[in-house]
Amino acid sequence: NAGVMQNPRHLVRRRGQEARLRCSPMKGHSHVYWYRQLPEEGLKFMVYLQKENIIDESGMPKERFSAEFPKEGPSILRIQQVVRGDSAAYFCASSPLLAEQFFGPGTRLTVL
Amino acid sequence: AQKVTQAQTEISVVEKEDVTLDCVYETRDTTYYLFWYKQPPSGELVFLIRRNSFDEQNEISGRYSWNFQKSTSSFNFTITASQVVDSAVYFCALSEARNFNKFYFGSGTKLNVKP
Repeated sequence: NAGVMQNPRHLVRRRGQEARLRCSPMKGHSHVYWYRQLPEEGLKFMVYLQKENIIDESGMPKERFSAEFPKEGPSILRIQQVVRGDSAAYFCASSPLLAEQFFGPGTRLTVL
Repeated sequence: AQKVTQAQTEISVVEKEDVTLDCVYETRDTTYYLFWYKQPPSGELVFLIRRNSFDEQNEISGRYSWNFQKSTSSFNFTITASQVVDSAVYFCALSEARNFNKFYFGSGTKLNVKP
């Protein structure tokens, strides 16, 4: 049973470009979460999704960031017009209902 | 206000020493869950333990043990006879029953175990 998959593991973008981060949850998990970890800091909750629904996006910046979890395929975290401050590790986690979250290996985004 | 506080930013010990990582949390909910995760240098997050607020029994798993004390809102983690492979950043996290799926992480404690 494969764990949570994230790709790419490393992503480099120039300022103003778009970044797309993908997350495939563990088999049988219908809940996906995205977190951001700035250098030397803990993880900060961004958004919680179930299939085709955003349940809680209270941690998402109001502009440039969006997330989706379609009926088919991985969850996508999209960052438009990236800025240097977006450089961070982005972690995806999945869980069955009301259980501990299992984290993917993260995507390290570097904005030049 | 910070919901989870890990006051120790970095700890260095010599192999075989015991080490305790502190975690203090804050919540008004009576039902909540506490977690510990390990982040080794490779960067992934490894789940270590989940504890719910109604279970104050301490837990031991091999060299790892956890001390949950509601009276002091603490959930401390002790590694006995530390090993170099224990070197990592350790995160404590809280989720509240009102919104279980939202985890609040502490800022982490970096543990360096030297040979």
